[in-house]
Amino acid sequence: DTGVSQDPRHKITKRGQNVTFRCDPISEHNRLYWYRQTLGQGPEFLTYFQNEAQLEKSRLLSDRFSAERPKGSFSTLEIQRTEQGDSAMYLCASSPGGTDTQYFGPGTRLTVL
Amino acid sequence: AQKITQTQPGMFVQEKEAVTLDCTYDTSDPSYGLFWYKQPSSGEMIFLIYQGSYDQQNATEGRYSLNFQKARKSANLVISASQLGDSAMYFCAMREGFGLYEKLTFGTGTRLTIIP
Repeated sequence: DTGVSQDPRHKITKRGQNVTFRCDPISEHNRLYWYRQTLGQGPEFLTYFQNEAQLEKSRLLSDRFSAERPKGSFSTLEIQRTEQGDSAMYLCASSPGGTDTQYFGPGTRLTVL
Repeated sequence: AQKITQTQPGMFVQEKEAVTLDCTYDTSDPSYGLFWYKQPSSGEMIFLIYQGSYDQQNATEGRYSLNFQKARKSANLVISASQLGDSAMYFCAMREGFGLYEKLTFGTGTRLTIIP
């Protein structure tokens, strides 16, 4: 059973550009979560999906952020008009159900110049 | 108020010794779960151990055990016989409202360094 995978692992972009990250959860996990981790902090919740439905969004998720999980399998997180403050590690996690342990992927490290 | 507090930014421990990483939490919900994750320099969060608020016994997983003191709202991680590979960041996290909320709230972490 393969773990959660994320692509790309690293992304360097210029301010104002759009970026998109992909997360592939553990197969048959219907829950998928996105977190953001800045330097020296623990991860902060952004949003989560149950199958294809986005059930909760954090206030951290500004209008420039959008997440999708169109077929209830992989998910994408897009950031439009990136800002330097968006520089962080973006972590994806999945779980079989809402009360189960969340298993994390390796993260995508975003650097906005 | 912080929901999860980890007061030890860094710890140095001799190899083969036991180590305790502190975690206190704040919630008014009677149903919650507490988790510990390990984050090596590679960045991936690795699940270590889970304790539910209604669990009668302290959780154990191999060399990891959770010292759960509900009245004091503490959930310390104990690592026995530490190894060089235990050097990493360790995060305590909480999920509140069993079945209602699914997001994890994390502390700021403790950086553990094992000295040979």
